[in-house]
Amino acid sequence: GQQVMQIPQYQHVQEGEDFTTYCNSSTTLSNIQWYKQRPGGHPVFLIQLVKSGEVKKQKRLTFQFGEAKKNSSLHITATQTTDVGTYFCAGPLWNAGGTSYGKLTFGQGTILTVHP
Amino acid sequence: DTEVTQTPKHLVMGMTNKKSLKCEQHMGHRAMYWYKQKAKKPPELMFVYSYEKLSINESVPSRFSPECPNSSLLNLHLHALQPEDSALYLCASSQGGFRSSRYEQYFGPGTRLTVT
Repeated sequence: GQQVMQIPQYQHVQEGEDFTTYCNSSTTLSNIQWYKQRPGGHPVFLIQLVKSGEVKKQKRLTFQFGEAKKNSSLHITATQTTDVGTYFCAGPLWNAGGTSYGKLTFGQGTILTVHP
Repeated sequence: DTEVTQTPKHLVMGMTNKKSLKCEQHMGHRAMYWYKQKAKKPPELMFVYSYEKLSINESVPSRFSPECPNSSLLNLHLHALQPEDSALYLCASSQGGFRSSRYEQYFGPGTRLTVT
């Protein structure tokens, strides 16, 4: 079945350093979504990428969708303590006939710790 | 209003108790979801309701019983739970029907459940 792998599992950085998490799918994705979950909080939608090779920016966050639509990355420039949390990528699960199962496959998440 | 509310925030219940979790959204979303999340793990889908009908049941044990009284409300009835059911239970909603996986999901703050 479809799998979404995310690495690294943990990342510890000093404040001001950059951070990147990578997401790889075993199948081509129609789109990919990124969520952030703060410690003790709930997942919050960050962004959705749809087009092959798409790059989107949100302030210090840069999101990329691979040309083959099988991988994606989230890069944070100059991390701040407010960036602490778990970052999840998620892709929709489709059957062989191209119909959505109506559910997201989440990556395992990358837990980011930022030391001040 | 992009808020999904959940009650209660915390719940401690014995294995013989019956309790219910409640979720509400007023965004006009037609797909609503129940997820279970263990510490340091991604959300695990339990149920999906689309247009108030149960569309997906991820082989969840019958001690969990979902209910969708109307398009804004989602309940999860709990009975005879096991200690391993202790987790964060998240409700989410999204636009369109459940097959519209191109829409982002809005998560509620969750109910932290402890089964003793």
